Amino acid sequence: DAGITQSPRHKVTETGTPVTLRCHQTENHRYMYWYRQDPGHGLRLIHYSYGVKDTDKGEVSDGYSVSRSKTEDFLLTLESATSSQTSVYFCAISDLNGNYGYTFGSGTRLTVV
Amino acid sequence: EDKVVQSPLSLVVHEGDTVTLNCSYEVTNFRSLLWYKQEKKAPTFLFMLTSSGIEKKSGRLSSILDKKELFSILNITATQTGDSAVYLCAVYTNAGKSTFGDGTTLTVKP
Repeated sequence: DAGITQSPRHKVTETGTPVTLRCHQTENHRYMYWYRQDPGHGLRLIHYSYGVKDTDKGEVSDGYSVSRSKTEDFLLTLESATSSQTSVYFCAISDLNGNYGYTFGSGTRLTVV
Repeated sequence: EDKVVQSPLSLVVHEGDTVTLNCSYEVTNFRSLLWYKQEKKAPTFLFMLTSSGIEKKSGRLSSILDKKELFSILNITATQTGDSAVYLCAVYTNAGKSTFGDGTTLTVKP
């Protein structure tokens, strides 16, 4: 999607290894979010950020950490990947009031073997 | 705990039919309700609703919110095969968080 990119698009990693997913935006939006999407669970919020160095937990934050050192970048780290973290991860951005909803990135498909 | 429930979970119709998708919610500090369409990839924004009783419309799609009864509906008239997708409802709070429903999978047959 224009203005927001995620990398990598696909990744296969081994249990116990650290993994970092990157979200980059060019819209200068204040809010950034990480979601995971699993069959039967819809989209679940992992962490979100409301400004540089300002982050908070979502409903499924255990096992994940985030960092936002610049407005444009929001990193999601799995410190020690587990098979239960196999999922599709979406990053999203919104302006201050969310007036245009969230714009989602194309997603990262992560497989932990 | 915030909760969003969508119904039905899946729906199969034929082209030209009209469908109504439902979304009910229980959240603290409601700010807005959004509808998204998700095909094979990322969700795309359809509507944002913040006030009761004001219909939002875009072509054959329309949506309305009832903040008293805590629900919203998404209507699609004269359905087409291109409307086949998962439709997601999400509620956003003043705390900046969001809760998504599990989605309604709509299949439109020719």
